[in-house]
Amino acid sequence: EVQLEESGGGLVQPGGSLRLSCVASGFIFSDYGMNWVRQAPGKGLEWVSYISNSSSIIYHADSVKGRFTISRDNAENSVYLQMNSLTVEDMAVYYCARDRHSDFWGQGTLVTVSS
Amino acid sequence: DIVMTQSPDSLAVSLGERATINCKSNQTLFYSSNNKSYLGWFQQKSGQPPTLLIYWASIRESGVPDRFSGSGSGRDFSLTINSLQAEDVAVYYCHQYFNIPWTFGQGTKVEIK
Repeated sequence: EVQLEESGGGLVQPGGSLRLSCVASGFIFSDYGMNWVRQAPGKGLEWVSYISNSSSIIYHADSVKGRFTISRDNAENSVYLQMNSLTVEDMAVYYCARDRHSDFWGQGTLVTVSS
Repeated sequence: DIVMTQSPDSLAVSLGERATINCKSNQTLFYSSNNKSYLGWFQQKSGQPPTLLIYWASIRESGVPDRFSGSGSGRDFSLTINSLQAEDVAVYYCHQYFNIPWTFGQGTKVEIK
C-alpha cells in the first residue's frame, strides 16, 4: 500500500523558516518524481515544487522561487521542502504527492505563519 | 502559465442523477507525440487530501467507481458522475500537468439537491 506521511509543519513568525519532510512507503521511491502542493485555508490547490526521481530536474513555482528548496534522499525514502523567508501568504496545508499525475497524496502538514 | 477554468463553481444534483463538470484550459494540453492530453481530475472531500480520479483525461484510476468518467481533448474537458451517490459530495478539481507550472482549476463543489 502506497503511503506518504508529511511532517514538520507548525507555527512560525513571518520571515522564519521551516523544513517539511515526507516519508514514503509501499513503492520504489527512487522510481518516482515527487511534488509539494499546498492549500491555503478554504482555498484551492496550488502546486509548489517538483523533483525528479534522481533529483536531476527540479522546478519551483514563481511564488516560492528563491525562498523554497525541494530535495530528496532516496536512501531514506524521503522528500523535503526547505522554506525560508515565510510570509502569511505561505500559510497552508502542505501535501506531498507522487509523480507527475499526483496519484497519491499524504494527509498534509499545516504551516501557520503568524506573529 | 496555463489557466484552468472550471464551470460551474458549484452544483446541486439529486441522488441518482448525473453531474457534469467542465474544465477549459487557455492552451492545448494535447501532446501529439504520444496522443495524450495531460489532464487529471481530483476529488477532495471535506477535511481530506485530494484523491486522483482520472488521468490522461479519460483513464480511470484503479479503484475509482465506474460512475466517474472523464472526456475531452485539447482544451475542453469534462468529468461526469453518473448516478450521483451521497458519498460523492466533494470539491472536484481539474489539473494540467502539460507545462510547468502545473496548475489546477478553482474547484467545483458538488452537493445533493
